[in-house]
This record gives sequence, structure tokens and C-alpha cells, in this order.
Amino acid sequence: GAGVSQSPSNKVTEKGKDVELRCDPISGHTALYWYRQSLGQGLEFLIYFQGNSAPDKSGLPSDRFSAERTGGSVSTLTIQRTQQEDSAVYLCASSFMASGGNWNEQFFGPGTRLTVL
Amino acid sequence: AQSVTQLGSHVSVSEGALVLLRCNYSSSVPPYLFWYVQYPNQGLQLLLKYTSAATLVKGINGFEAEFKKSETSFHLTKPSAHMSDAAEYFCAARLDTGRRALTFGSGTRLQVQP
Repeated sequence: GAGVSQSPSNKVTEKGKDVELRCDPISGHTALYWYRQSLGQGLEFLIYFQGNSAPDKSGLPSDRFSAERTGGSVSTLTIQRTQQEDSAVYLCASSFMASGGNWNEQFFGPGTRLTVL
Repeated sequence: AQSVTQLGSHVSVSEGALVLLRCNYSSSVPPYLFWYVQYPNQGLQLLLKYTSAATLVKGINGFEAEFKKSETSFHLTKPSAHMSDAAEYFCAARLDTGRRALTFGSGTRLQVQP
């Protein structure tokens, strides 16, 4: 597609349930990022995938959060046993592989709004 | 601690007036700095970026920002606000050369009054 797509656009779940959020990056982009945007706050980094390298999971807030990226393309962010504080907009971004010290623009998807009741 | 700070969660200007959105950073290495704009129910769009070239950076929609190392600032400006500029603006930085993830400020919501 032309841009980063995310699904679902909105997700309402009950506390304690598991949820899966999907991100489809721009074709050819080998770097993929997940961020969380809580109400009234900026974006918080969660996890980063770069090609076949081990992901940078340093931003995941707890072991209830996990993510995978299959085939170097689509990524799924899973939140187990959701809590009300997990309510937020989850944004995915992708970029070309950055080589050496170069930095390539991150293109963001529209996000998934998660509401935990 | 390395961080990005945006002063003012809400800024209101009149149409045609100067827009000034403030951003300061704290970093132990030369940063890469960015401004993103977010319209309602949309993802973030890059306005402009500083990656150690010219300190005055021009972006889309008439916005520009100046990197001032001595002040650790990267304020966003636009000479004349337009109604369509109403949105939320995020300053972001790559503060760690070992990581590609961006550190974001908390955002500034810009209102433009007719």
C-alpha cells in the first residue's frame, strides 16, 4: 500500500482480555517501530524491529506486552490480560533500513485506539 | 536524563499571527531533531528535521525551525498562521546514537482563531 496501515482502527475490550494489534508497514521498509500515545501525553517508544536483528524491546512496559514481526513485514503487538491503564492509541511506524549513522524518516500509521473497560 | 520538553500544552494564535512552538532537549550526544504534526484521527506527519546540516531548517506548509546548540532548543515557527494549521505538534529527537527510536515531547495543541 501507499502508507503504513494499522488494524483495527478502534478496539474496545474488557479488562483481563488479550488483544492483538496489527501493523502493515510500507513495502520495502525494513525497520518497524511501535509507540504508545496515552491521553495528554507524547509518544512512548515500545519496541523496534530492524531487518533480521534482535528487536529492541527496551520500551515495553511489562511482560504482558509482546510483539513479533513475521517475514520481515507485518507486525503484531499483543497485550495480554489488559488493564485499564493500557488504554491508549498505539502507533506503528516504518522506515528504510538505516545504515551507519544515517537516519531515515519514520512514516506513521493512523494508529489503533484501544479502550479497556 | 535525556529528554525532550515542549513548553505549553496549548497555544492559541489569531489567523495571520506568528506561530511559535517551543522545544528543548537534553542530550549527551549531537541530536537529530524533528517536528511532527498530527491532525485529528490521523497519524503523525513529518514537518521538518535537523540532522546536523544547516541549523535553520525549512519544512512543509511554511514552517521552519532553528537548532540552537547553546540553548538546546529547536523551536518551530511560522510567520503567519492559517486556520488549517490547527493540529497537535510534537517535537521529537534521536538522543542516543545506539538507538533508532525517537523520544517525543508531550505535544502542543495549536488553536488558530479567526
